[in-house]
Amino acid sequence: DQQVKQNSPSLSVQEGRISILNCDYTNSMFDYFLWYKKYPAEGPTFLISISSIKDKNEDGRFTVFLNKSAKHLSLHIVPSQPGDSAVYFCAAGTFQNSGGSNYKLTFGKGTLLTVNP
Amino acid sequence: GAGVSQTPSNKVTEKGKYVELRCDPISGHTALYWYRQSLGQGPEFLIYFQGTGAADDSGLPNDRFFAVRPEGSVSTLKIQRTERGDSAVYLCASSLTRAGGQFFGPGTRLTVL
Repeated sequence: DQQVKQNSPSLSVQEGRISILNCDYTNSMFDYFLWYKKYPAEGPTFLISISSIKDKNEDGRFTVFLNKSAKHLSLHIVPSQPGDSAVYFCAAGTFQNSGGSNYKLTFGKGTLLTVNP
Repeated sequence: GAGVSQTPSNKVTEKGKYVELRCDPISGHTALYWYRQSLGQGPEFLIYFQGTGAADDSGLPNDRFFAVRPEGSVSTLKIQRTERGDSAVYLCASSLTRAGGQFFGPGTRLTVL
């Protein structure tokens, strides 16, 4: 039973355009969401996060949007660059709902983003 | 060290053998996590340490898996009587605060023949 779902295994975009990666979740106890980027043979690298009390968080070219009612979040990358080509994982946790004692993350299966020059 | 380090980077073993995987977290990080990533999947939680104690080991698949963190820094994941289904990349992560994400090491690729 997948609690975090990334339904697109892959996405291809042109350099300079917007990349939109989507993620859906089923567990209403999740209160913290993160995006990680992973290159081959490396561990996931933290990109950006959002708390459930917000609906948007922006950091440079990366923006994460959260729609709690739809249990949906998305990562926007603008403008996309060839170096952004990687696997992107959506992850969720119940940080505050566990009394702030457990930061266990549940990950989606990932989306392979390819940015073409 | 700058980041989380894991050794070995690759481990090939035979079915039934015992293996140990090591994780060195970022200095000062009190929280340490182990995850397992199988082919085509995202990382799956195994166990979480806060300091020296295992605060949550609900992700360990069975009693062949065990992890320790005796001094609150380095951690070792131990797998007894390995099975072919244990083949995966084992990732370690550490974190300092609630605000930031977990920082992952490069992983150990375990192959059980």
